[in-house]
Amino acid sequence: DIVMTQTPLSSPVTLGQPASISCRSSQSLVHSDGNTYLSWLQQRPGQPPRLLIYRISNRFSGVPDRFSGSGAGTDFTLKISRVEAEDVGVYYCMQATQFPRTFGQGTKVEIK
Amino acid sequence: QVQLQESGPGLVRPLETLSLTCGVSGYSISSGYHWAWIRQPPGKGLEWIATIYHSGSSYYNPSLKSRVTISLDTSKNQFSLKLTSVTAADTAVYYCARDPYSTSSGSFDYWGQGTLVTVSS
Repeated sequence: DIVMTQTPLSSPVTLGQPASISCRSSQSLVHSDGNTYLSWLQQRPGQPPRLLIYRISNRFSGVPDRFSGSGAGTDFTLKISRVEAEDVGVYYCMQATQFPRTFGQGTKVEIK
Repeated sequence: QVQLQESGPGLVRPLETLSLTCGVSGYSISSGYHWAWIRQPPGKGLEWIATIYHSGSSYYNPSLKSRVTISLDTSKNQFSLKLTSVTAADTAVYYCARDPYSTSSGSFDYWGQGTLVTVSS
């Protein structure tokens, strides 16, 4: 199984300031079709997860442009350029390059 | 717009079988795509359980494979999960979602609201 490791596990942020979350996979996420199936999901309190970023850097429909993703191979980053109150929640990276699908442990973003 | 809705008992006794159904609207599951179950124990992270294709082929998490069955009912446009011999460790919110396989996003792009299943006597 591919192990997904996120850092940090908790990120207190001041409103309007940037936030960054790292995700490392135990092996390359490049699929045989050439795509890298690394995604970022947001889970607000009491809500189901919501897709934010897919294939490393593509924002899903309706996702604000303050969210961006980058990386390659085994190292990936989610950045929030200016944190807003509605961004509070837990963020997960996940891989769908192979079965079983696996998720990172989650990073809790909270306001200082 | 694809919508998913989980249904099933909220309480299951230890060693019995957990059975859940996911109703899909806005898309005919017999037309394609893969469909998945994911769970989240209270206060913990996400765990993929299983995925099924409209043809009936399926994939299971090796950690649960011996106890899990995923199935499709195209006549009702729904898919189901059965988990046998449950214990307290199976207490979780269970989500159904569209699997990344063959989607344009390559990710879990549509999710149900989730249903809490508690295993207790």
